[in-house]
Amino acid sequence: AQKVTQAQTEISVVEKEDVTLDCVYETRDTTYYLFWYKQPPSGELVFLIRRNSFDEQNEISGRYSWNFQKSTSSFNFTITASQVVDSAVYFCALTGLQTGANNLFFGTGTRLTVIP
Amino acid sequence: DSGVTQTPKHLITATGQRVTLRCSPRSGDLSVYWYQQSLDQGLQFLIQYYNGEERAKGNILERFSAQQFPDLHSELNLSSLELGDSALYFCASSLGQTDTQYFGPGTRLTVL
Repeated sequence: AQKVTQAQTEISVVEKEDVTLDCVYETRDTTYYLFWYKQPPSGELVFLIRRNSFDEQNEISGRYSWNFQKSTSSFNFTITASQVVDSAVYFCALTGLQTGANNLFFGTGTRLTVIP
Repeated sequence: DSGVTQTPKHLITATGQRVTLRCSPRSGDLSVYWYQQSLDQGLQFLIQYYNGEERAKGNILERFSAQQFPDLHSELNLSSLELGDSALYFCASSLGQTDTQYFGPGTRLTVL
């Protein structure tokens, strides 16, 4: 069974602070993908990153960075120098490939509020 | 803009009614997925189609059905609607079955 846990329900930070969103996953698949999606107040789901289970390299994209650690089954997301536009709900998701299905299992999301 | 379109954006209807939600995938994508987002259940996978064929089913109620047409657009049919069906319904598409899913803007369904 696939499971994604985002223990932080809500986080508030002041603009320009760094913030890390935690994601812990469970899967029996040896091949799987991890994702982060952003849901701004307008409601759409915006893809941020996909990482496969064989690639543990950290990734940086501008102010965003992701830390994937298989040993702790975690895929954490850090926003550096946060901005008001970063205010959104962030979802971590998982898909396993062994079952043949590609559907996403989502965590419950973390609502980030950046205060100006 | 993800390139996935969904219509309508909003839908208000009464209990017992039937509605159809429509999704057009990104150009070239063969796989379409439907998800439901509600306050109590979160984001849940409903069903997946690939090139016109059903490939996976999630927690989809028997009152719900879907299909993918030859032009690859998809429709989600919800019947005998109940108050608890009020939710945001997302469609997503991907090139193949293991590629990244890109989501449409969603259809907000309100059942009164």
